[in-house]
Amino acid sequence: DGGITQSPKYLFRKEGQNVTLSCEQNLNHDAMYWYRQDPGQGLRLIYYSQIVNDFQKGDIAEGYSVSREKKESFPLTVTSAQKNPTAFYLCASSTGTRPNTGELFFGEGSRLTVL
Amino acid sequence: QKEVEQNSGPLSVPEGAIASLNCTYSDRGSQSFFWYRQYSGKSPELIMFIYSNGDKEDGRFTAQLNKASQYVSLLIRDSQPSDSATYLCAVNTGFQKLVFGTGTRLLVSP
Repeated sequence: DGGITQSPKYLFRKEGQNVTLSCEQNLNHDAMYWYRQDPGQGLRLIYYSQIVNDFQKGDIAEGYSVSREKKESFPLTVTSAQKNPTAFYLCASSTGTRPNTGELFFGEGSRLTVL
Repeated sequence: QKEVEQNSGPLSVPEGAIASLNCTYSDRGSQSFFWYRQYSGKSPELIMFIYSNGDKEDGRFTAQLNKASQYVSLLIRDSQPSDSATYLCAVNTGFQKLVFGTGTRLLVSP
C-alpha cells in the first residue's frame, strides 16, 4: 500500500539535544512538507520541498533543518536552537504537478516531548 | 488578520442534525480549498475539496465556496457521533503549499 511513514511515533528529548524525525513516502510524489501542530492550534508550515535537492523555508523554520537527497525521503532535524520544540509533527506529500490541486497526504505524525 | 480563520468552537449539535462549519480567508488569489477532519491525536484526513464557486456534494458532506465573499463552508447532514472531531479548513494560495486555519471542534451528541 502506498503511503507516508513517519518515525518515531513518540520521541522524548533532553534540552540541548538535536533529534531527527524520519519521513518516507512511496507515493511517487514530488512535493513534501513538514508541519507543526501545537495543542488547539492549526498546522504551521516548517519547511517544504518541491523537488529533490531543493527546499524552502516555511513560516516557522527557525531551529529546524531538512534535507531532500532522495525523492522518497524528507527528514526533519529539530535542533537545540528551537526554543519550544514540544509539539506534534506532521509530514505530508503532494503530487506537485499542474494543475496543482494542493491536496496533501499526511503521515501519522511524530509527537516530540522535550523533558 | 489571519490568512485563514475559523471559529474554534466547540460546535455542539445533536445526532441527526446538520452541522455547519465556516471558514474565511484573506488572499483573493486563493485557488483551491480543502476541508480536513482530524480526530484527537491523529493526522488530518481529507474530507472535501472545492475549486469553483457554488456547492459540491459528496455523501453527507457539502462544501460551499463563495469567492466574492471569501468564505468556504462545510455542511454535514445527518450528523453522527463519529463525526465528532476537529475540522480544519485549508487554502491553497497558489504556491504549492496549504495554509490552515486553527480548526473548529465539532461535538455530536447521541
